[in-house]
Amino acid sequence: DGGITQSPKYLFRKEGQNVTLSCEQNLNHDAMYWYRQDPGQGLRLIYYSQIVNDFQKGDIAEGYSVSREKKESFPLTVTSAQKNPTAFYLCASRWRGQPQHFGDGTRLSIL
Amino acid sequence: GQQVMQIPQYQHVQEGEDFTTYCNSSTTLSNIQWYKQRPGGHPVFLIQLVKSGEVKKQKRLTFQFGEAKKNSSLHITATQTTDVGTYFCAGEDGNNRKLIWGLGTSLAVNP
Repeated sequence: DGGITQSPKYLFRKEGQNVTLSCEQNLNHDAMYWYRQDPGQGLRLIYYSQIVNDFQKGDIAEGYSVSREKKESFPLTVTSAQKNPTAFYLCASRWRGQPQHFGDGTRLSIL
Repeated sequence: GQQVMQIPQYQHVQEGEDFTTYCNSSTTLSNIQWYKQRPGGHPVFLIQLVKSGEVKKQKRLTFQFGEAKKNSSLHITATQTTDVGTYFCAGEDGNNRKLIWGLGTSLAVNP
């Protein structure tokens, strides 16, 4: 069954800690995206990748990092430099020009 | 930069009333996509409009793309409680690299 898997569903971060959110897709999509959604707000683009080993900053990349070593995987690291990391993180993938498919999301909170 | 404005931000209706949300882009779009996000869930693709002046229907939902390909609307006829959620429009830029998201319209339906 094809889809996008995000893990974990819930994540807690301690002060000064880096945490990594996983995103895996088996849809053979070239492009992958990370969004941040705050309560009652829209989607803000953090990073996106059109092909393996290449990625671009979105609108709010500061305090985050990504890698794209495999087509199927696009992990997001929330670094200690991100001072307000509490949010709902959504990963998406798609073929160019086609609709985006989303994972179920990861809810990140600060301990 | 490119922006997609979406109004209204919130709409509260009685079940059976109609509902419309509007999107306006600062630039011409190659296509526009509509998504629905239920509370606690992730955005789910509804439809994509590509042609100037295009109108598409899905049961009680009617989607329109403006002649200039800079605006779009979603109209729901006779709302039901199952229509509750946030409706997002997302416009594709000319390079088809990423979507420009509206902030969404949250729809509440009183039974």
